[in-house]
Amino acid sequence: DGGITQSPKYLFRKEGQNVTLSCEQNLNHDAMYWYRQDPGQGLRLIYYSQIVNDFQKGDIAEGYSVSREKKESFPLTVTSAQKNPTAFYLCASSIADRGEQYFGPGTRLTVT
Amino acid sequence: AQSVTQPDIHITVSEGASLELRCNYSYGATPYLFWYVQSPGQGLQLLLKYFSGDTLVQGIKGFEAEFKRSQSSFNLRKPSVHWSDAAEYFCAVGEIGGSQGNLIFGKGTKLSVKP
Repeated sequence: DGGITQSPKYLFRKEGQNVTLSCEQNLNHDAMYWYRQDPGQGLRLIYYSQIVNDFQKGDIAEGYSVSREKKESFPLTVTSAQKNPTAFYLCASSIADRGEQYFGPGTRLTVT
Repeated sequence: AQSVTQPDIHITVSEGASLELRCNYSYGATPYLFWYVQSPGQGLQLLLKYFSGDTLVQGIKGFEAEFKRSQSSFNLRKPSVHWSDAAEYFCAVGEIGGSQGNLIFGKGTKLSVKP
């Protein structure tokens, strides 16, 4: 089945540690996205990538980093510089020139 | 600036009753519009989309939405709600022909269903 996988589903880290969230898709989509979701806030765009080896900052990129070395993969690193990293993180992908995005199941990150 | 407003944070309806969730957008270009649904702790699932043509679009799970350009609205409707429809619903807007493919999401409307 084609789709987007995110792992792990739950992730716990100590404050000050970097952590990397995985996102893989087998839909052959060119574009991939990372969103952060907090209660009552909707979805906020962190980073997006339209093509391999290229990515752009979204609205809340500070404290996050990404890479896009393969079309299928778009990992997100939450660095220690992110002041409030505890949140639900969603990865999505789309055909580059179409608007509909398809979402993974999400990773809930808790930093204590 | 582009924006999407979902005026209702939380709505409760009785099972079998009709449903309408409101969505208003502010967008300079020709928009394309989406409704997504999210169950607790899950990702978002696309319910329906509007790109062009007929302003009444049908989606999955018996949902439909109507695009009204004059009112900048894209309200989601269902004639008879089922208990399994309890979830959070997000409206999103993007730009037709836009180079980035980015979507702007509303803050969501949580739907509760009474038995």
